[in-house]
Amino acid sequence: LAKTTQPISMDSYEGQEVNITCSHNNIATNDYITWYQQFPSQGPRFIIQGYKTKVTNEVASLFIPADRKSSTLSLPRVSLSDTAVYYCLVGDMERDYKLSFGAGTTVTVRA
Amino acid sequence: DTGVSQNPRHKITKRGQNVTFRCDPISEHNRLYWYRQTLGQGPEFLTYFQNEAQLEKSRLLSDRFSAERPKGSFSTLEIQRTEQGDSAMYLCASSARQGAPPYEQYFGPGTRLTVT
Repeated sequence: LAKTTQPISMDSYEGQEVNITCSHNNIATNDYITWYQQFPSQGPRFIIQGYKTKVTNEVASLFIPADRKSSTLSLPRVSLSDTAVYYCLVGDMERDYKLSFGAGTTVTVRA
Repeated sequence: DTGVSQNPRHKITKRGQNVTFRCDPISEHNRLYWYRQTLGQGPEFLTYFQNEAQLEKSRLLSDRFSAERPKGSFSTLEIQRTEQGDSAMYLCASSARQGAPPYEQYFGPGTRLTVT
């Protein structure tokens, strides 16, 4: 699985947009980019997955530049309940059945 | 609630005792995974089942650990002769065999093990 680098922590305020950038310089052709969210004492929860360009769902957007060496998770108008750890994962998700989490980015949303 | 359940949610045991955890995946999911998570770290892969077959095991899974998935339904993870270093959150996840993205795993709430 490709190695990823993401910030350890980020602070934000309610109503702001939060953008978390993940670097994955050695991403392979078959690799997807996936983000999970984890609250304390809960299991991770899938947020979004993409291969290239932009993907949007009801909770987030994922921006992937043409070279795919990085990606940005965008959380619009965050609330206090978005305080969590966010993990960026890169890998051939169809074949690499195991997920490789790093330490993630702790996002703290303040009132 | 993702539909994946784990029991017990918390387990306190003394060093040297054996413990067993259970995971009930989403019923139509044929893939099941176990992960371990320690404080401040992301989950680490332990083992993977496709139906009842255990197809992959991490080197983290020492010979004191054993996992089963009889009949391809629920799964159990047993730790024998527990050590204090086994204290962690044990997470179970499941997914369905699929040919198109998104490739998503659904995680249970975890079992927190404390070895005293």
